[in-house]
Parts: sequence; structure tokens; C-alpha cells
Amino acid sequence: SQTIHQWPATLVQPVGSPLSLECTVEGTSNPNLYWYRQAAGRGLQLLFYSVGIGQISSEVPQNLSASRPQDRQFILSSKKLLLSDSGFYLCAWSVSQGEQYFGPGTRLTVT
Amino acid sequence: RKEVEQDPGPFNVPEGATVAFNCTYSNSASQSFFWYRQDCRKEPKLLMSVYSSGNEDGRFTAQLNRASQYISLLIRDSKLSDSATYLCVVSGGSNYKLTFGKGTLLTVNP
Repeated sequence: SQTIHQWPATLVQPVGSPLSLECTVEGTSNPNLYWYRQAAGRGLQLLFYSVGIGQISSEVPQNLSASRPQDRQFILSSKKLLLSDSGFYLCAWSVSQGEQYFGPGTRLTVT
Repeated sequence: RKEVEQDPGPFNVPEGATVAFNCTYSNSASQSFFWYRQDCRKEPKLLMSVYSSGNEDGRFTAQLNRASQYISLLIRDSKLSDSATYLCVVSGGSNYKLTFGKGTLLTVNP
């Protein structure tokens, strides 16, 4: 069966510091991968998605970037965090069209 | 018009009640429809897909009206464990992307 891992689970970072969040998927090949952010009391905002290694599509221009160095690995990064980057970061996977399955998320607080 | 719009809620119902959630979507080219539930401070989890003919999974019934661009979820005999935020989800302009509604919070009271 497929499983998705995210780490860390929680993170407190000062403004201006770098960020690296990692997501890995097991039990499937060539999944579509997604990064979402959910700010407090808000809906899910799609940040990036990838349909293959090295293929990244950005949905919202901001100070975040994503990379997919391996088939089942998706990384979200920032060189300098802003206060507005605080939120619940969720990685998800899907195969072709259809439903997406989420990892447990990383709760980021920028201070 | 928002891409996916849901009842603002919150809904507070007693155990055993029947509750209905409504959702409208703006993209007439959308092909896939889902309901997810999200518990407090947890990730969203797929509750059920929504098919054109309507579908049922135990106490949960989902309906789709493509002409009206309307989706519904009915929960019968509510349980305390049904308390969660219910998210209406629609495939976006690309088949790889889903658009999530903001969700409706349901609290089932004893």
C-alpha cells in the first residue's frame, strides 16, 4: 500500500531563516506530487505541483521554491522566510487524474 | 464567483440528526468531484468521490448536478465521530489539479 511521509511535523523558524521541508511517497511509481499551504482559518492553497522528476509548476509567485530530485521525493524550500509563510504545509500525491492523498503535514511558525 | 463555494457553517447538530452540505463550482469543464474531511489540525482525508449518478457509502450520500454545477453531501444518523470540517473538492482547469472549498465545520453534540 502507498504511504506518504513528511518531516518535520512542527517547525519554529525566525524571519529571514531558510526552510527545507521534505516529502516522500512509498508504494507507487511516478506519482503526481503537490505542495499546499493552509493558513490559520483559511482554505488549502496549491503552491506547486510536479508530474515528473525535475518538472515543477508554480501556482503562486512567492518566496518559496520546490524541487523533485527523485521520483518519490518532493522538497519545499525558501531562502528567507517571511512572517506570512506561517501555516500548515501539506504534501499530497495522486496518480493521473483523480483524488489526492495527503501526508500528515508540517506546522510552520515563523517568529 | 469563487471556484468552489460551500455553505459557510458552522453546523451544530445533535447525535442522530441528518445534515446536508451544499457546494457550487464555477468551472463547467470540471470532471472529478470529491468530498474530503479534515479533523482539527490534521490532514484532509478522502471521504468519497462523487459520481454523476449519485453514490452512497453507508450513512453518506453524495449527489452531483452538472447542469447546476452543484454538489451535495448528506450525512444520516450523525455520530460524534463525524465532527470535522467537510471540504468540497473539484478538479480544476488541469486534470492534475484539484480546487478545494474552504470547508464547512460540523460539530455533532451528544
